Amino acid sequence: QVQLQESGPGLVKPSETLSLTCTVSGGSVSSGSDYWSWIRQPPGKGLEWIGYIYYSGSTNYNPSLRSRVIISVDTSKNQFSLKLSSVTAADTAVYYCAKDRRGFDVWGQGTMVSVSS
Amino acid sequence: EIVLTQSPATLSLSPGERATLSCRASQSVSSYLAWYQQKPGQAPRLLIYDASNRATGIPARFSGSGSGTDFTLTISSLEPEDFAVYYCQQRSSWPWTFGQGTKVEVK
Repeated sequence: QVQLQESGPGLVKPSETLSLTCTVSGGSVSSGSDYWSWIRQPPGKGLEWIGYIYYSGSTNYNPSLRSRVIISVDTSKNQFSLKLSSVTAADTAVYYCAKDRRGFDVWGQGTMVSVSS
Repeated sequence: EIVLTQSPATLSLSPGERATLSCRASQSVSSYLAWYQQKPGQAPRLLIYDASNRATGIPARFSGSGSGTDFTLTISSLEPEDFAVYYCQQRSSWPWTFGQGTKVEVK
């Protein structure tokens, strides 16, 4: 049973870089059948897909965030990570990592990140 | 970007009633549509993938239908644990997008 767990700071200052890591257990990020995504949800609002990474390192990002996003994978640690630069209050959200196989079939519990000075 | 429009925004029903939720895409997504359920404070849960396939462990009272631009999620008889927010999501065209959600509340 694959499980995902997000980790990282819960508070980031404006203009700085948000960094989160998703640790995969019970499965492997090197699975050729899965993509690994980040999704966010501002308080009281809907879901926004940020981007995905494949174990090979290939990525695809939401154009609305592409200039600020980097998703990377560390197969040796069975983790993938998100970096979002130049954050503003609009980036305050619950950030989820998720496994994508014909739909986001496994989700982390989510981590709240607030952007504030 | 494909825009998904869900209706209604809120559905007020009683346990045991049938729920019918709609998702309309701004252009065809073929059958590449999924449905999720989200309860307060929890991550979404995949219910339906590829328009009509139930995900692992999802009860048979949940069913999905449609193709192209019009999709429906049906809950045949609402259980108390089904009152939640439901989202549709397309994976036909980058970027993946979600609908704005339909809240199913107790009448």
